[in-house]
Amino acid sequence: GAVVSQHPSRVICKSGTSVKIECRSLDFQATTMFWYRQFPKQSLMLMATSNEGSKATYEQGVEKDKFLINHASLTLSTLTVTSAHPEDSSFYICSARDRWGAKPYEQYFGPGTRLTVT
Amino acid sequence: AQTVTQSQPEMSVQEAETVTLSCTYDTSESDYYLFWYKQPPSRQMILVIRQEAYKQQNATENRFSVNFQKAAKSFSLKISDSQLGDAAMYFCASQETSGSRLTFGEGTQLTVNP
Repeated sequence: GAVVSQHPSRVICKSGTSVKIECRSLDFQATTMFWYRQFPKQSLMLMATSNEGSKATYEQGVEKDKFLINHASLTLSTLTVTSAHPEDSSFYICSARDRWGAKPYEQYFGPGTRLTVT
Repeated sequence: AQTVTQSQPEMSVQEAETVTLSCTYDTSESDYYLFWYKQPPSRQMILVIRQEAYKQQNATENRFSVNFQKAAKSFSLKISDSQLGDAAMYFCASQETSGSRLTFGEGTQLTVNP
């Protein structure tokens, strides 16, 4: 149980285009989803937190107009990188938790998406 | 604000031996959780072990155990009988209240030598 999927696993896009990454909870209701960014050999950096049906809360320094997060249902959150540039190339990881589940403190992680902007 | 510090960027251990990864944290909260996550080359984050701060007993999960020193704000991970599959990046993390954000340490890259 508690599986989180991400799609796509890898994406290459041209500079100036937008790309959407999906994060789905497959067997539980994700009341809260988190989006992280990870550079090679570095730790995970929280970008934003989203509660279902509410606007996402962005961490300081993360451009909300560039990284659009939508959490419209209890099983799906999307991250759209708008007008992508090479510096946006990174590994993006989502995680989800069920506030009302048996383990409300536990976050379940997706497998990540590698974004390359050329 | 929470902070988590892992002072060992890299560690190595011989197969079948024991290794301990260090972690210190800082929080002003009395109620929090501590975690160790494993990130293998696939980059999938895997929960290794969890400790509730209110529990005095150290958590154990098979070959993995922690030494939780609340007063010292220390949370080390001991891996016994190390296996080749244990090779990965290990992240220590804290979470102040149920379901809130995780704060990660810098990570420790563990190499297991055959």
